[in-house]
Amino acid sequence: DAKTTQPTSMDCAEGRAANLPCNHSTISGNEYVYWYRQIHSQGPQYIIHGLKNNETNEMASLIITEDRKSSTLILPHATLRDTAVYYCIVRVAEDSSYKLIFGSGTRLLVRP
Amino acid sequence: NAGVTQTPKFRILKIGQSMTLQCAQDMNHNYMYWYRQDPGMGLKLIYYSVGAGITDKGEVPNGYNVSRSTTEDFPLRLELAAPSQTSVYFCASTRPGVGNTIYFGEGSWLTVV
Repeated sequence: DAKTTQPTSMDCAEGRAANLPCNHSTISGNEYVYWYRQIHSQGPQYIIHGLKNNETNEMASLIITEDRKSSTLILPHATLRDTAVYYCIVRVAEDSSYKLIFGSGTRLLVRP
Repeated sequence: NAGVTQTPKFRILKIGQSMTLQCAQDMNHNYMYWYRQDPGMGLKLIYYSVGAGITDKGEVPNGYNVSRSTTEDFPLRLELAAPSQTSVYFCASTRPGVGNTIYFGEGSWLTVV
C-alpha cells in the first residue's frame, strides 16, 4: 500500500500560490519525501525532495512539518502549464532495497 | 546521457500473444523499476531490481516477468497478454542511497485486443 495520502483534486487561480498537502504519518527517520508531477500521460517529472528541512528550488518549495508526518508542496506563482497530477512519494527502504510506491496523486487544475 | 529509454512507444497485441518491453539507462544506475498506469489512475509498481541478477516483485507482478542481466537493461516480459494488461508502462531508474533523483522514461502504450 502507498504510504502517502493526498487530496484527489485541487484548483487555484493562475498567478496565485498552489499549496499541495501530503500526509506520510508512517515515515521512517531515513526516508525522504519526493514530489513528482505528470502532465497528461508523459513520464513523471521530478520537482523536489527533502528529508527534514524545508527545501526550495527553481520550481517549488517543500515544507516538511517538524514531526515529518506531513509536507506541503508550494508552487509560488502557478501557471496554466502547472496543471498536472502531483505525486508525493516516500522512498521506502526494505531489506536494503528501495521500493518506490506511488499514491493516487493530486490533480491540480490552474484556472485562468 | 540519453537517460531512460523505453521501446516500443506504442504496441497493439492480440490476446495470448507475448512481447517484451525494453528499458535501458545509461546513467549507471543500480536501481530500476517498472510501473503500469491505467487510465485516470496512479502508477503501480510491477517489478524492481537493485542490481544485475537481482529482481523482486512490486505491487502488481502477476502476468509479468523481468530479468536483469546487465546494469543498463531491464526488460519486462508479458507472456500471455490479456485485456487487463492494457496500460501505459513506465520504466524508472535511480542510484542507491537516499536523496537521489528518480528518472523516468517516456512510457510505452500497450493495447491488448
